[in-house]
Amino acid sequence: AQTVTQSQPEMSVQEAETVTLSCTYDTSESDYYLFWYKQPPSRQMILVIRQEAYKQQNATENRFSVNFQKAAKSFSLKISDSQLGDAAMYFCAFRSQGNLIFGKGTKLSVKP
Amino acid sequence: AAGVIQSPRHLIKEKRETATLKCYPIPRHDTVYWYQQGPGQDPQFLISFYEKMQSDKGSIPDRFSAQQFSDYHSELNMSSLELGDSALYFCASSFPGINSPLHFGNGTRLTVT
Repeated sequence: AQTVTQSQPEMSVQEAETVTLSCTYDTSESDYYLFWYKQPPSRQMILVIRQEAYKQQNATENRFSVNFQKAAKSFSLKISDSQLGDAAMYFCAFRSQGNLIFGKGTKLSVKP
Repeated sequence: AAGVIQSPRHLIKEKRETATLKCYPIPRHDTVYWYQQGPGQDPQFLISFYEKMQSDKGSIPDRFSAQQFSDYHSELNMSSLELGDSALYFCASSFPGINSPLHFGNGTRLTVT
C-alpha cells in the first residue's frame, strides 16, 4: 500500500523569505505522479504543482518548485518570496492508479 | 474556465436523517471522485466513478451510496446520519489517466446535529 508522510505539522515563514515543506512517500510502483495541493482557510483544494515520476527535471510553477528525489522517495515543496496569501494547509498527494492519497498536511503561517 | 460545481454548499441535518450531495464535473471530465475531510484531517477517499461505473472504493460506509448519471454528474447519498458524518465533502473530477490532476469543487459542509 502507498503511504504519504508529511513530518512537519506546522511551519512558519517571514514574508518574502523562502520555506521548504517536506514530503516522503512509500510505493513499489514505478509509474506515478506526485502533487502538492493548497487548502486556504476557505477550505478550497487548489492544485499547486505536479511532478511525473519518470521525469528527472524538477517541476516549477512561478514561485513554487519541487525537489524530487526518486531514490529517496522524497518530494519537497519550496515556496520562494513567500506572500501573506500563501498561508494555508499544504497537502502532498500521490497517485499511481485512480484516486489521490494525501499526507496529513502542513499548516504554513506567513508572518508580515 | 468552468470548475467542479457542488451543491449545496452547506447542509444541516439531524441524526438518522438522510442527505444527498450533488457534484457537476468539469465538462469532458468523465471521472468523478468523492472525498470526506473531517475537522483537522486530510481528505479521505470514499468512492470514484469512470464512465458512470464505479471504478474504485475507499472507506465509504455502507450507509452511503453514490452513482454517476448519464450527464456525468454524481450524487452521494447518505442515510442514517451520525454525528461523526459531520465533515467537508469534496467532489473532484479529472480525465482518465494518472497524469490528469484532480480538480476539486468547493465542497459541501455537512453538519449533523
